[in-house]
Amino acid sequence: EDQVTQSPEALRLQEGESSSLNCSYTVSGLRGLFWYRQDPGKGPEFLFTLYSAGEEKEKERLKATLTKKESFLHITAPKPEDSATYLCAVQGSGNTPLVFGKGTRLSVIA
Amino acid sequence: NAGVTQTPKFQVLKTGQSMTLQCAQDMNHEYMSWYRQDPGMGLRLIHYSVGAGITDQGEVPNGYNVSRSTTEDFPLRLLSAAPSQTSVYFCASSYRLTRAGISSGANVLTFGAGSRLTVL
Repeated sequence: EDQVTQSPEALRLQEGESSSLNCSYTVSGLRGLFWYRQDPGKGPEFLFTLYSAGEEKEKERLKATLTKKESFLHITAPKPEDSATYLCAVQGSGNTPLVFGKGTRLSVIA
Repeated sequence: NAGVTQTPKFQVLKTGQSMTLQCAQDMNHEYMSWYRQDPGMGLRLIHYSVGAGITDQGEVPNGYNVSRSTTEDFPLRLLSAAPSQTSVYFCASSYRLTRAGISSGANVLTFGAGSRLTVL
């Protein structure tokens, strides 16, 4: 059974204080690992897809990396507008539906 | 493009009532799905569909029905609402993401804005 565990549950940062969010996963034949951002009262928005260990993707202050067991979402010099819940999901082989983690709630204080 | 449209945004029901949450997408996505999101539980899959006429159960299907008569629409029916079904419901659809010209089979989901349901 595919599983995703995200840590920490919540993270509070000062503006400009860089940090990382963790996503540990177990999956049978990884087809893709996804990162989404969710703002309060809205649906999740797609950020990145990673396919294989060693792959990295960047978007503004966010950088996602992938190993065979976990993914990190690195946030460099965050701003208050980066405050959101960040969700990680995996899709295994056999075209199985995505399995989501419970998310990390990030607060960036000015 | 409107993307994924969910209606209603808010609904209050009494225990035992039935209702349908509507979901429509205009992106010609084959794959559609319904999730519920509860505090501390994350997103849990209720039902999904890989194309018109095909549906399957997810992690938490009990108490819900779906049908897929067209590519665009994927309604979620609550047969007899219970307080345990109080939640925020998200509909999502996807295309297949292609990498280096080869379909990876990985589905990038586009979500609707959500429907908040309260069952008293």
